[in-house]
Amino acid sequence: QSALTQPASVSGSPGQSITISCTGTSSDVGGYNYVSWYQQHPGKAPKLMIYEVSNRPSGVPDRFSGSKSGNTASLTISGLQAEDEADYYCSSYTSSSTPCVFGTGTKVTVL
Amino acid sequence: QVQLQESGPGLVKPSQTLSLTCTVSGGSISSGGYYWSWIRQHPGKGLEWIGYIYYSGSTYYNPSLKSRVTISVDTSKNQFSLKLSSVTAADTAVYYCARMNTAMWGFDYWGQGTLVTVSS
Repeated sequence: QSALTQPASVSGSPGQSITISCTGTSSDVGGYNYVSWYQQHPGKAPKLMIYEVSNRPSGVPDRFSGSKSGNTASLTISGLQAEDEADYYCSSYTSSSTPCVFGTGTKVTVL
Repeated sequence: QVQLQESGPGLVKPSQTLSLTCTVSGGSISSGGYYWSWIRQHPGKGLEWIGYIYYSGSTYYNPSLKSRVTISVDTSKNQFSLKLSSVTAADTAVYYCARMNTAMWGFDYWGQGTLVTVSS
C-alpha cells in the first residue's frame, strides 16, 4: 500500500486561506469517508484535526475544514495564523492489505 | 482525560528485538470501540502505521513489517506492547502509541513518542 500523496509544502500569509490536498485511490480515499487529518508541531505528537472527511473534534478551531472529491481529500485552513505553522498528515482507511495508510505530509509555512 | 505513555529502551542493538510498552490512564483499555495502535516516524520523515490491537486480542499489522511485529495487550495492567524483531538501523525512529477511535475512525489520543535508536 503506497502512501497517500500530499504536496511537500504550502505557504500563506496570516489571514489567508490555504488548502492541502491528499490524493489516493478508489481503494482508500475515494472509497470510504474515513479520512482524517493530523497537525504535528516540531518535536510533538500529531493531533487529530479532522475525522471522517469533514468533522472537527471538540476544541479544534472552525478555521479548519475538510472535504473530499473523488479520490482527493482536502484540508482548508481559513484565516491562517502563526500557530498553524506545522506539518499536516492525512490518513485513510483502505481496503488493501493494510487497513490504515498515511499521507506523505505537508509542511505549512506562515509567511 | 485519556493519556498514553510509551516506555522502553532508547537504544537497541542490530539484530535484537525492540520492545516498547504503552500504558493507558484515564480510561480502560478494555472499553470497546478502540484499536490500540503503534505508529512510527523515521527522523525527518512521515508517519508509518505499524499495527493495532483490539482489547480482545485481534491484531492487524502493516504487511511490510508483519513478519517481524507482534502487538499484545495486558488488560490487567491497562497496557499494550510492541515487539519488533531483527531490527536494523532502518528501524531507528520515534515510536508513538495511539488510540484509534472507531466512532470517528481517527487517532484521537497519542503518547508523546519515544525515540528508539538501533546501533551497536
